[in-house]
Amino acid sequence: QVQLVESGGGLVKPGGSLRLSCAASGFKFSDYYMTWIRQPPGKGLEWLSYISGSGSFTNNADAAKGRFTISRDNAKKSLYLEMNSLRGEDTAVYYCARDRGGNSGTYYFDYWGQGTLVTVSS
Amino acid sequence: EIVLTQSPVTLSLSPGERATLSCRASQSVSSYLAWYQQKPGQAPRLLIYDVSNRATGIPARFSGSGSGTDFTLTISSLEPEDFAVYYCQQRSNWPLPLTFGGGTKVEL
Repeated sequence: QVQLVESGGGLVKPGGSLRLSCAASGFKFSDYYMTWIRQPPGKGLEWLSYISGSGSFTNNADAAKGRFTISRDNAKKSLYLEMNSLRGEDTAVYYCARDRGGNSGTYYFDYWGQGTLVTVSS
Repeated sequence: EIVLTQSPVTLSLSPGERATLSCRASQSVSSYLAWYQQKPGQAPRLLIYDVSNRATGIPARFSGSGSGTDFTLTISSLEPEDFAVYYCQQRSNWPLPLTFGGGTKVEL
């Protein structure tokens, strides 16, 4: 069965950095676009970043541009989000999710991880 | 960026009743709209994509309709497990941002 497991969240000081990971299993990882979406505590969903199956194409929301970098290692079946210059407003649960269309890139997400909490505070 | 406004914010209903949730876009998203369900402490689950297509394993009591700027998610007869928050999402003007609505909470 499809599984996505995020890790790497935690408490970080403002201005700090963090690298989130998402381990995939149960499907051919390299055939799927993947994405990161976050959710501040008690609030709604915010799309952050998107990457093609090969990793050659990425797209980022304004909130992520210049500070967050999405990448993947298909050999390790893993997705990453490198986050720098973190601010209090980056405090959220971060989800990785799979595009339902495989390499067609439908931009709808059919499997999600359980999320990893990032808290930015001094 | 396209703004999605969901209404009502909260919908109070009982099991067996019909739920009608609205999502309005600030400009046309054509038919590129999805709905997700999220229960407390869980990740969102894709229910509907491209306005009216049910995702794999989604029961037939969930249906979607609309086009352009006005969309509706209907739950024909609420089951106890349907009490949750529902979000709409558009992908119309890709590669410009995907956006989500603010959510509608369906409560008992």
